[in-house]
Amino acid sequence: QKEVEQNSGPLSVPEGAIASLNCTYSDRVSQSFFWYRQYSGKSPELIMSIYSNGDKEDGRFTAQLNKASQYVSLLIRDSQPSDSATYLCAGFYGQNFVFGPGTRLSVLP
Amino acid sequence: EAGVVQSPRYKIIEKKQPVAFWCNPISGHNTLYWYLQNLGQGPELLIRYENEEAVDDSQLPKDRFSAERLKGVDSTLKIQPAELGDSAVYLCASSSERGPTTMNTGELFFGEGSRLTVL
Repeated sequence: QKEVEQNSGPLSVPEGAIASLNCTYSDRVSQSFFWYRQYSGKSPELIMSIYSNGDKEDGRFTAQLNKASQYVSLLIRDSQPSDSATYLCAGFYGQNFVFGPGTRLSVLP
Repeated sequence: EAGVVQSPRYKIIEKKQPVAFWCNPISGHNTLYWYLQNLGQGPELLIRYENEEAVDDSQLPKDRFSAERLKGVDSTLKIQPAELGDSAVYLCASSSERGPTTMNTGELFFGEGSRLTVL
C-alpha cells in the first residue's frame, strides 16, 4: 500500500455543485494532513491543513479528517471553473511530506 | 517578497549527458526540498536540507544524482549521466519550518519547476 492514496479522476462536476475529493493513508503516515492545489503546468500551493478529527472550514473549502478510518476529504462548495485543477493530499511520513498522486477535478460551466 | 526561483524552466538533453538545476529559496527559509514529479503523479522527495545539511537523501539515486546547498541558501541538483527515465519536472520547495510538528502549518513554497526531457 502506498502511503497516501487518491483516486486519480478525472472528477467532473457542474458549476455550483459540491466537489468531494478523497484520500486514504497508511498507518505509517502521521496524522496531520494538507491539501495542495496544482493548476496544469504550475507548482502546488497549500489550500488547507487539518490536524484533528472532524471538519475544518475555510470559505468554500471544508477539510474532513477521520482517523479511525484513515480517511481525509476535501469538499469544495459552489464549485467554479477556476477550481479546475489537480488536488494533492499530503501527510507526514517520518520527517518529510509525502504526497498522493492527486485527483484531477474538472468543473464544467 | 520573491518566491522560490528555479532555473532553467525547460531543458532538453540527450541521454548520457549531464544536467544541472538551480534553486534559490525564499529568503530566510532554512529548509529546502527537491522533489521529482512525473506526469499524473504527486511530487516525490529526492532530498531535504536543513540549512546546508542534507538531513534526508535516502530517496536520491546517488549513482547518478547529486545535490549541494552551499552556505545554506541556493541549491543545485545534478544528474550525470541522464537516462530516459529521468524525464520529469524537478521541483524545489522551501519552508521556514523544520520537520513535522503538531504546530507545523505544512506550507511548502514551491518554485515553478524545471522540466527535463531526455531524448
